[in-house]
Amino acid sequence: DADVTQTPRNRITKTGKRIMLECSQTKGHDRMYWYRQDPGLGLRLIYYSFDVKDINKGEISDGYSVSRQAQAKFSLSLESAIPNQTALYFCATSDSGVLYNEQFFGPGTRLTVL
Amino acid sequence: AQSVTQLDSQVPVFEEAPVELRCNYSSSVSVYLFWYVQYPNQGLQLLLKYLSGSTLVESINGFEAEFNKSQTSFHLRKPSVHISDTAEYFCAVSTGGGSNYKLTFGKGTLLTVNP
Repeated sequence: DADVTQTPRNRITKTGKRIMLECSQTKGHDRMYWYRQDPGLGLRLIYYSFDVKDINKGEISDGYSVSRQAQAKFSLSLESAIPNQTALYFCATSDSGVLYNEQFFGPGTRLTVL
Repeated sequence: AQSVTQLDSQVPVFEEAPVELRCNYSSSVSVYLFWYVQYPNQGLQLLLKYLSGSTLVESINGFEAEFNKSQTSFHLRKPSVHISDTAEYFCAVSTGGGSNYKLTFGKGTLLTVNP
């Protein structure tokens, strides 16, 4: 079984709808991250969480919110989706005990906002 | 602040040819360097990493990268590519420290191997 899983894998929604993307991990890591990937722009950090009670904004947090329900679960919400949020979204994890911050990625969620 | 520049957005090559994907970084402190690979319709997988010690690091599938501190580079090379190496490759940099959290990515290089 995959260490980092994301649901759904694909989602098509309409402008203005609320949508939640979920991430679960079995690696026992304390840190979790949400990125979006757009062609030609690489990966950009949306939010990150050091533990259940520690959530921080990344580079591009506007229009997004997150919830860390447990150490193993980190969800990303779009309160009112807009077309320029169409992208590939990745969840990642890392272990704070590892100095060099190697991150482990889920398979991604492809989101299309019409 | 740290940044990563991948000099080529696309690199087309023929099968069995050598390839080099270029990566330069900027940072005011010591860094850890990574190459991730993203195969079509998949997530990112770690290909190799430089932490310390030998400046030449290798992956299990024939790629290697050399850390060059004076040129602030971490170029990825393979002497003979296969069709299955077609993927997008991302260079990333991290700095150590107690508050370290950030992995900064380049914009990616799409390697296309043609028969």
